[in-house]
Amino acid sequence: AQKVTQAQTEISVVEKEDVTLDCVYETRDTTYYLFWYKQPPSGELVFLIRRNSFDEQNEISGRYSWNFQKSTSSFNFTITASQVVDSAVYFCALSEAPERVTNAGKSTFGDGTTLTVKP
Amino acid sequence: KAGVTQTPRYLIKTRGQQVTLSCSPISGHRSVSWYQQTPGQGLQFLFEYFSETQRNKGNFPGRFSGRQFSNSRSEMNVSTLELGDSALYLCASSLDPAANNEQFFGPGTRLTVL
Repeated sequence: AQKVTQAQTEISVVEKEDVTLDCVYETRDTTYYLFWYKQPPSGELVFLIRRNSFDEQNEISGRYSWNFQKSTSSFNFTITASQVVDSAVYFCALSEAPERVTNAGKSTFGDGTTLTVKP
Repeated sequence: KAGVTQTPRYLIKTRGQQVTLSCSPISGHRSVSWYQQTPGQGLQFLFEYFSETQRNKGNFPGRFSGRQFSNSRSEMNVSTLELGDSALYLCASSLDPAANNEQFFGPGTRLTVL
């Protein structure tokens, strides 16, 4: 069965600090997608990144970077020089073999990490 | 391009009542997925519709049902409401997630059951 674990429930940092959010996943499929979403207080899930299981390249987008390691089943997210606007709940999610219709539209989410960035 | 819209945004019901929530996907998207988010259970998948057909269903009781119309708009219905149904209900729109298209989430409907 698929499972996503975000061990950090809450993290608090001071502005300009770097912060890493951990994500560990479990799956039996060789084909899968991993995601990170941001959920501000308004409730909408904002898509940040999608990575497929065959692409272990790390990615950087501005202050955001992601480290995907299949050997440890981890997909960690780092925010460099954090800002107050980064305060939100961050979710890691897994979608197994999405081309299989029985998996269509379904993602398994971690419990989320609440990030608070203080000025 | 307009994003995913959900109506209503807030809803208060009492136990035993039923409720219908609506989701309008991004224009051209044919898939709508529904999720329930609660503090205790987190984000859980309810079901997915594509071209008016339910393709996938999560582990929820039969009180939770849905449908999709020919214009891809989707509704979900919860009958005989229980206190535990209080949650944020999110829908996600996609061209077709089975084709590895990404999902875009709406703002959610916050349901409170008293």
